[in-house]
Amino acid sequence: QSVLTQPPSVSGAPGQRVTISCTGSSSNIGGAYDVHWYRQLPGTAPKLLIFGHNNRPSGVPDRFSASKSGTSASLAITGLQAEDEADFFCQSYDSNLGVVFGGGTKLTVL
Amino acid sequence: QVQLVESGGGLVKPGGSLRLSCAASGFRFSDSFMSWIRQAPGKGLEWISKISQSGNIIYYADSVKGRFTISRDNAKNTLFLEMNSLRVDDTAVYYCARDGLDYDSSGDWFDSWGQGTLVTVSS
Repeated sequence: QSVLTQPPSVSGAPGQRVTISCTGSSSNIGGAYDVHWYRQLPGTAPKLLIFGHNNRPSGVPDRFSASKSGTSASLAITGLQAEDEADFFCQSYDSNLGVVFGGGTKLTVL
Repeated sequence: QVQLVESGGGLVKPGGSLRLSCAASGFRFSDSFMSWIRQAPGKGLEWISKISQSGNIIYYADSVKGRFTISRDNAKNTLFLEMNSLRVDDTAVYYCARDGLDYDSSGDWFDSWGQGTLVTVSS
């Protein structure tokens, strides 16, 4: 059971917009700790997707964006493409546990 | 470019020990906080340990505290994870990762990851 809760799966058609939620509590996201996002293609290591206040590493398109409100955060992907299919993980900090991750969300492009 | 290459994984019996290594290149290893993160088969990610540039700041997740030891050799650009009293639930792919910030912060992230090394604990 992960400290940060993500939906197991989301899906969308090419060109659509999808969002992935990451729900925490007052000891992590609600405690004003930053939320970061990673993408993991099958059989590969996770890669940083968004860090801090909606910052993208070089090479990550602006179709990916993040937001946070209260005890939850969201990753939005616009203009969905087939190559976006992957697992997505959120990460934050918990005042009791240290670094924490969400359980991951599998994105399927229909 | 940043490259992290883990090694040392394998099959070990419950109660056994293993030492993982992570060879770093493409950046100033001695300037970076480093972490170990694991992923059980088909499961999510779990951060397990973090070490500062000089090794004077170290953190562990409760699940490995007292059993695992993180260390580094800046002269050899290598990060280590000594794992003792291994349990079946330690079975996972172990990744080394570079922390995004070069100071101790709760807002940190992981900007580079190795390809991982599989540790299987089974009798």
